[in-house]
Amino acid sequence: QVQLQESGPGLVKPSETLSLTCTVSGGSISSYYWNWIRQPAGKGLEWIGRVYNSGYTNYNPSLNSRVTMSVDTSKNKFSLRLSSVTAADTAVYYCARGLERLGNAFDIWGQGTMVTVSS
Amino acid sequence: EIVLTQSPATLSLSPGERATLSCRASQSVSSYLAWYQQKPGQAPRLLIYDTSNRATGVPARFSGRGSGTDFILTISSLEPEDFAVYYCQQRSNWPRGIFTFGPGTKVDIK
Repeated sequence: QVQLQESGPGLVKPSETLSLTCTVSGGSISSYYWNWIRQPAGKGLEWIGRVYNSGYTNYNPSLNSRVTMSVDTSKNKFSLRLSSVTAADTAVYYCARGLERLGNAFDIWGQGTMVTVSS
Repeated sequence: EIVLTQSPATLSLSPGERATLSCRASQSVSSYLAWYQQKPGQAPRLLIYDTSNRATGVPARFSGRGSGTDFILTISSLEPEDFAVYYCQQRSNWPRGIFTFGPGTKVDIK
């Protein structure tokens, strides 16, 4: 079955760029939306944005100026870059698949990766 | 921007009881409303999509209903594994393709 795995640095310095990758295994990256969601410790979920296999993107308006998402279909991976990070960006970051026939709900999630912003 | 409000923030119930969780949107979200369950240390799990459709493998005790701005998730008889945090989520029609989560309702054991 399809599985997602996030990877990337667990520690990022303030003002630098956070970069994460999500690897899709057990299925194709094509024909789906791929999402990033984050969750600060003890808090709720925040949708960051999504990317389609064509490269089409939608971003959370509150993060739009700092977010870039991309997809590499040859490697079955998609990526998140978040620039100019601050301590407020410290969170568990999840990748998830959006399935159009389910109203684009997120049916498969990665286990999450903790990212801390600190000098 | 559509804002989702969930109530109550915490619901204290006993196994076997019925749980009714509310999600209210600041404006109509049509049918693009989903519910997720999250247990400590785990990723969220999709329960309900398009207001009332159960995701694959979700037990029949979970049901969703609603329309417009008011939505309900019902757990007919709580099992021990149902004690968790529940989030609603909507997808906006304009701007298209923007998702928002509610703040969550924690269902804990009374």
